[in-house]
Amino acid sequence: EVRLVESGGALVKAGGSLRLSCVTSGFPFTDAWMNWVRQAPGKGLEWVGRIKGKIDGGTIDYAAPVRGRFTVSRDDSKKTFFLHMKSLKVEDTAVYYCLTTTTVTRPWGQGTLVTVSS
Amino acid sequence: SSELTQPPSVSVSPGQTARITCIGDALPRQYCYWYQQKPRQAPVMVISKDTERPSGIPERFSGSTSGTIVTLTISGVRAEDEADYYCQSANSTSWVFGGGTKLTVL
Repeated sequence: EVRLVESGGALVKAGGSLRLSCVTSGFPFTDAWMNWVRQAPGKGLEWVGRIKGKIDGGTIDYAAPVRGRFTVSRDDSKKTFFLHMKSLKVEDTAVYYCLTTTTVTRPWGQGTLVTVSS
Repeated sequence: SSELTQPPSVSVSPGQTARITCIGDALPRQYCYWYQQKPRQAPVMVISKDTERPSGIPERFSGSTSGTIVTLTISGVRAEDEADYYCQSANSTSWVFGGGTKLTVL
């Protein structure tokens, strides 16, 4: 069974930093493409960033609102995907989901809440 | 990816057919994916690559495409289908989501 479990969400002040983790199981992680998507309270889905699998060069892309402040990374030995966030803004408040596009069903994790206060 | 436009809401009675559209200039060149999100739950993909239904998704869910318009069709709508639905496409460097459509089953 494919599982993705996010953690690391917290209440943080504007300007602060946070690292989210996504622990995975049930699929071959090393070559998997991994994404972060967020959802602000009462709002729609917004793509944050992605890292390709090792076989595709591990290329990383970001959405414009987070480029330069957020960094995605992965630890293939631990089958874990990360989102490092710095210079957080109030508008970064959201539930952050990880998902993989490697499997046919594109499963999502349950999400982790990041709240940025002013 | 360019913008994707969805109607904010669609309402149907049980047993009827619901159609949710997603309009985008890039859709003739990019696949569209549909996600269902129920309250306080993570999204679930219901249609992949415009028309493919993943295993485990009921047959009443189908997708179609015509030029810049992709349509999610739910035939014989059930109360349990009430949810928010999002379309999504991608180019080589980014994803874009539609604004979401709230499906209400009357």
